[in-house]
Amino acid sequence: ETGVTQSPTHLIKTRGQQVTLRCSSQSGHNTVSWYQQALGQGPQFIFQYYREEENGRGNFPPRFSGLQFPNYSSELNVNALELDDSALYLCASSWRNSPLHFGNGTRLTVT
Amino acid sequence: AQTVTQSQPEMSVQEAETVTLSCTYDTSESDYYLFWYKQPPSRQMILVIRQEAYKQQNATENRFSVNFQKAAKSFSLKISDSQLGDAAMYFCAYRSETQGGSEKLVFGKGTKLTVNP
Repeated sequence: ETGVTQSPTHLIKTRGQQVTLRCSSQSGHNTVSWYQQALGQGPQFIFQYYREEENGRGNFPPRFSGLQFPNYSSELNVNALELDDSALYLCASSWRNSPLHFGNGTRLTVT
Repeated sequence: AQTVTQSQPEMSVQEAETVTLSCTYDTSESDYYLFWYKQPPSRQMILVIRQEAYKQQNATENRFSVNFQKAAKSFSLKISDSQLGDAAMYFCAYRSETQGGSEKLVFGKGTKLTVNP
């Protein structure tokens, strides 16, 4: 059974740039969620995708967008990066009522 | 909106001893799930234990057990026979349903657990 994998592991971007983070869901999981974890904080829900449609969104501006592909993998895109976007971005997959299975995250640093 | 509060930023325990991590939450819902996740330095969130609100019986998973007090909105985690590998950040989480049927987790700020040899 393949777990949730995220890429890249680390990323450094400049304020104003755009970034794309990638996530492969665990085998058999059709739902993907993205979370932002600032340093010293708990993760915050960004949005969730189910069958290629956004299925819920947290309190994040529209410059945070996503995609889910037919193989259930997903991307998180962030436009016009701000310094406060520096964080660990966690992807999690699930199926029906199962608990979320998380990846190791992508550490994004915005300078 | 639901909130989750972990009032202990840091805890420490001696190896082989027992430690309890506290969590309270606020919700107006009657049916929900509560979770404890562990986050070691590898950064991956690992599920420790899950509790369904409709079940009165406290969940247990080997050395890990919870004390679920629904009326008090309290959900503490007890780790028995603590091991060095238990050292990590522990997050309490509430599963909520957003509009459209999605399920999101609301996390507390975490408790850093240190296990002393």
